[in-house]
Amino acid sequence: GESVGLHLPTLSVQEGDNSIINCAYSNSASDYFIWYKQESGKGPQFIIDIRSNMDKRQGQRVTVLLNKTVKHLSLQIAATQPGDSAVYFCAETPKAAGNKLTFGGGTRVLVKP
Amino acid sequence: KAGVTQTPRYLIKTRGQQVTLSCSPISGHRSVSWYQQTPGQGLQFLFEYFSETQRNKGNFPGRFSGRQFSNSRSEMNVSTLELGDSALYLCASSFSQGRYEQYFGPGTRLTVT
Repeated sequence: GESVGLHLPTLSVQEGDNSIINCAYSNSASDYFIWYKQESGKGPQFIIDIRSNMDKRQGQRVTVLLNKTVKHLSLQIAATQPGDSAVYFCAETPKAAGNKLTFGGGTRVLVKP
Repeated sequence: KAGVTQTPRYLIKTRGQQVTLSCSPISGHRSVSWYQQTPGQGLQFLFEYFSETQRNKGNFPGRFSGRQFSNSRSEMNVSTLELGDSALYLCASSFSQGRYEQYFGPGTRLTVT
C-alpha cells in the first residue's frame, strides 16, 4: 500500500462491463483492508471492507478478494456504470495501528458510454 | 444522519502563517483521524484522536498538531506554514477504535502562497 501519487494508473471500461481494480499491499501484519471511492471534489467514500480471516466478500455490485499469500487485494465492480467513474483507493491497517490507514496510490476508473 | 463536516472548505494562507481546521464527526462517533492528500504523496495519515487523546501519529513534523474536544469534535493546527503544506486535509470519523468503518468528510483545501 505505498503511495504512488502523481501518476495514477487508469482503467478504461465500457459501460456495462465488469471492472477489476488491483492493489498490492506491503505490510504482512495488516489484517483489515478497505476500498474507498473518491469522486472529484469529494472525500473518499467507503465501499467495502474485508478482514484477513476471509478471502472474499461481496456487497452490492462489488466483490473484494484478498490473497494474503501474495499480499494482493482486488475490487471487482459488476456492470460498471457512469457513476462508477472515480479514483479508487485500497487501504490497509494492522491490528496494532488502531484506525491508522495506509493508502495505496489509487486507480482512476473511466467508464465509457 | 448527518455526515462528517469540515470547515472551512477552502483556505488560502501565506507562508509563515498558522491555520486551524475543524472537523465534526458523525453523531455518536468518538474516533477522529486526519489525513493529508497531495498529488505527489497521495493520502497520508496525520493523527488519530479518541476520547480526547491522541492515539496514533503519522510521520509529520511537530508543526502539525491536533486536539479533540469532549463532544468528539476535532481541530488540527499547522503552524509556520510552508508551500508544501498545500493539500486537501481530510477528516475521518469512526464509531470507536478498531475495525469500524471510517467515514470521510469533504476535506479542507488549503493553499499556501
